[in-house]
Amino acid sequence: QLQLQESGPGLVKPSETLSLTCTVSGDSISSRNYYWGWIRQPPGKGLEWIGNVYYTGNTYYNPSLTSRVTISVDTSKNQFSLKLSSLTAADTAVYYCARSGQGVTACFDSWGQGTLVTVSS
Amino acid sequence: SYVLTQPPSVSVAPGETARITCGGNNIGSTSVHWYQQKPGQAPVMVIYYDNDRPSGIPERFSGSNSGNTATLTISRVEGGDEADYYCQLWDRNSDVWVFGGGTKVTVL
Repeated sequence: QLQLQESGPGLVKPSETLSLTCTVSGDSISSRNYYWGWIRQPPGKGLEWIGNVYYTGNTYYNPSLTSRVTISVDTSKNQFSLKLSSLTAADTAVYYCARSGQGVTACFDSWGQGTLVTVSS
Repeated sequence: SYVLTQPPSVSVAPGETARITCGGNNIGSTSVHWYQQKPGQAPVMVIYYDNDRPSGIPERFSGSNSGNTATLTISRVEGGDEADYYCQLWDRNSDVWVFGGGTKVTVL
């Protein structure tokens, strides 16, 4: 059974860089059928796609965040990671990692439980 | 960038039918997926490829997609269906994944 688990700090200071890792179990992150993505949700607001990564390292980012986002994959550890720089209070959110298909099948069929990240001094 | 528009809220009595719309330019030309999110929980996919249900999702959930509107229909609504619902698609023109703003379904 596929499981995804986010890990990282719950509190980060403004202007710093957030680093989160998603550990995948029950499936290989090197599967050619899937992308691996990050989605966030500010308190009381809707879902915002951050970006996706393929096992080859190819990435796709939300245009509104692309200047601050880096998503990478570590196939040896079956993990993928998110880095978000120049943080402000507006980046406070629950961050989810998820598995996505490709093209028209690009739905997020499995999600992690989410981790709350607060940006505050 | 591609925009998906959902009504902020829908209210429905138990046993009735809830219809949640997702508007987008020529949305019928691509596949739309739907997620249910209950308070404090991660989203769960309830419909994919416009009208396919993952295993474990009741037949009461169905979808349609044509023209500029996709619709999630929940038949015989139950109290447990009270949640936020999000539509989502992949925009092939820009290789981005897009979510609608979400609709809160309230069971009266």
